[in-house]
Amino acid sequence: NAGVTQTPKFRILKIGQSMTLQCTQDMNHNYMYWYRQDPGMGLKLIYYSVGAGITDKGEVPNGYNVSRSTTEDFPLRLELAAPSQTSVYFCASSYGGAEGYTFGSGTRLTVV
Amino acid sequence: AQSVTQPDIHITVSEGASLELRCNYSYGATPYLFWYVQSPGQGLQLLLKYFSGDTLVQGIKGFEAEFKRSQSSFNLRKPSVHWSDAAEYFCAAPIRGNTGKLIFGQGTTLQVKP
Repeated sequence: NAGVTQTPKFRILKIGQSMTLQCTQDMNHNYMYWYRQDPGMGLKLIYYSVGAGITDKGEVPNGYNVSRSTTEDFPLRLELAAPSQTSVYFCASSYGGAEGYTFGSGTRLTVV
Repeated sequence: AQSVTQPDIHITVSEGASLELRCNYSYGATPYLFWYVQSPGQGLQLLLKYFSGDTLVQGIKGFEAEFKRSQSSFNLRKPSVHWSDAAEYFCAAPIRGNTGKLIFGQGTTLQVKP
């Protein structure tokens, strides 16, 4: 099984551009999450979903949007890229609760 | 507010030496807890988890962790460190509510000296 697949792995955006970070999982997990990782700050939750059609904000949602039309896919949308969104983005999925997450390999985004 | 604290930002140990990485959490009830490892340029991999029962849990790569409710701690240990253990380690605990959300510590970077 592929697990959690994120694309692209690297991207450079100009200020004001938009892009979608893709995340797909093949484990039939209901729960999916987007985190961003900044040096020395750990991981901060951006958005999460507990099932298809259900999404909610995490700790740092401003500047981002998500959708969950299928169990497998959970894309993260940046509408107007800003330098503060320069980060490494991780998608994760789980059965929920005490099962823990399976992480993707991350997308390194630079906004210039 | 719930929190997970890893007091040590950076630790250096010699290869073959023992290792202990500290993690303290605030939750208000007995939580389930996780340790993840992140190698450079990689995603996070689950090392081990505590859910209930035995407070000493075994994980992959020879790691273990001990849950101590009285100290609100979940420290990660390894008896003999290998150079390949150099990585960043994250402790995580659940956020209240049935959403599976986790809060992560700031991470501890482990450097291994030859």
